[in-house]
Amino acid sequence: DTGVSQNPRHKITKRGQNVTFRCDPISEHNRLYWYRQTLGQGPEFLTYFQNEAQLEKSRLLSDRFSAERPKGSFSTLEIQRTEQGDSAMYLCASSRNSLASERYEQYFGPGTRLTVT
Amino acid sequence: GDSVTQMEGPVTLSEEAFLTINCTYTATGYPSLFWYVQYPGEGLQLLLKATKADDKGSNKGFEATYRKETTSFHLEKGSVQVSDSAVYFCAHPAGGTSYGKLTFGQGTILTVHP
Repeated sequence: DTGVSQNPRHKITKRGQNVTFRCDPISEHNRLYWYRQTLGQGPEFLTYFQNEAQLEKSRLLSDRFSAERPKGSFSTLEIQRTEQGDSAMYLCASSRNSLASERYEQYFGPGTRLTVT
Repeated sequence: GDSVTQMEGPVTLSEEAFLTINCTYTATGYPSLFWYVQYPGEGLQLLLKATKADDKGSNKGFEATYRKETTSFHLEKGSVQVSDSAVYFCAHPAGGTSYGKLTFGQGTILTVHP
């Protein structure tokens, strides 16, 4: 069990460019979450997958954001036409789909820090 | 709506001091409650949890008791170490038709000096 991994760890991009982040969850976890964390704040929920189905999206996720989990394994989060306000840490987490209490025991990756200049 | 409020930080302590980080919540029903910890350069890790009222979660010397009457889940440790320096987040499930997303507090930065 290697934990949740995220790539890249850091991304600097110019405003208007597109970026894509990847998350590899723990292999037996079928639930996958994306959160965004800004300085001095706790993580804010963006979206959630159960296997390959995207079941919930936050209002924070504008039309410029899209997430996929094509085979129910890894997931990608793409931001199109980046804006300076998109600068944040993007966190991925996964969990088991079993007992209700375990569902909320989420295992987080180290995050991808995005800086939009 | 559902929310989590943590005491404002940062908190600075000397090694072996007693730690309390306050957390209160608003939620529908009686959700499970969690403390997550984020060490420098790492992702969030589940520190402890409590699934029902009066439960006490504990791990690595940290404890927190689910208080329904005061809607609180304060984190305590009797004797902190330098290695406990991190950011601590209180959290609970968002509730409603949510599929498991967590609502987090803003985090409390703890620095422990030798």
